[in-house]
Amino acid sequence: KQEVTQIPAALSVPEGENLVLNCSFTDSAIYNLQWFRQDPGKGLTSLLLIQSSQREQTSGRLNASLDKSSGRSTLYIAASQPGDSATYLCAGLYNQGGKLIFGQGTELSVKP
Amino acid sequence: NAGVTQTPKFRILKIGQSMTLQCTQDMNHNYMYWYRQDPGMGLKLIYYSVGAGITDKGEVPNGYNVSRSTTEDFPLRLELAAPSQTSVYFCASSPGTGGWQPQHFGDGTRLSIL
Repeated sequence: KQEVTQIPAALSVPEGENLVLNCSFTDSAIYNLQWFRQDPGKGLTSLLLIQSSQREQTSGRLNASLDKSSGRSTLYIAASQPGDSATYLCAGLYNQGGKLIFGQGTELSVKP
Repeated sequence: NAGVTQTPKFRILKIGQSMTLQCTQDMNHNYMYWYRQDPGMGLKLIYYSVGAGITDKGEVPNGYNVSRSTTEDFPLRLELAAPSQTSVYFCASSPGTGGWQPQHFGDGTRLSIL
């Protein structure tokens, strides 16, 4: 069964700290791994998409890595800011029709 | 710059009632999706469509129906509402081959069945 897991469910850090969010998946036959941000009461916003042939993607202070052999992806946030407070979800794509399997999300709180 | 628009934003239904959740996108995307999100959980795929006239089941299709008569619209129908269908429903779309480009999400419909 294809499952995606995110631990911890919640994380609180002081402003300015570098942090890593973890995502693990049971089936390595993914087409890509996607990271999303969800603000309270809002839909999901795509942050980074890593194709199965890639090892990492970067956007500003965000860097996402993918290791298919170990079934893990990480989202690294540099110099965290209070505006980064949100829930972060990862999802693995398992068919070309766009069937994403989502993790439960990590709720991040960055304290001023 | 509308993107994906969902209506209504909130709704309370009684058990056994029916309703349609509306979703429309103005980006000319071929692929559209319906997800549900329960508290503390990730999203689960209900139905998806790869183009007008074509729909397919996702992980949790029971109790729901969809249709795709146009590229822009992808309504989700609940025929006999049950308390287990209390959730937040998200519609999403993506261009071309859905897997290779990010999905764009609406802001959700928060549905309570009492």
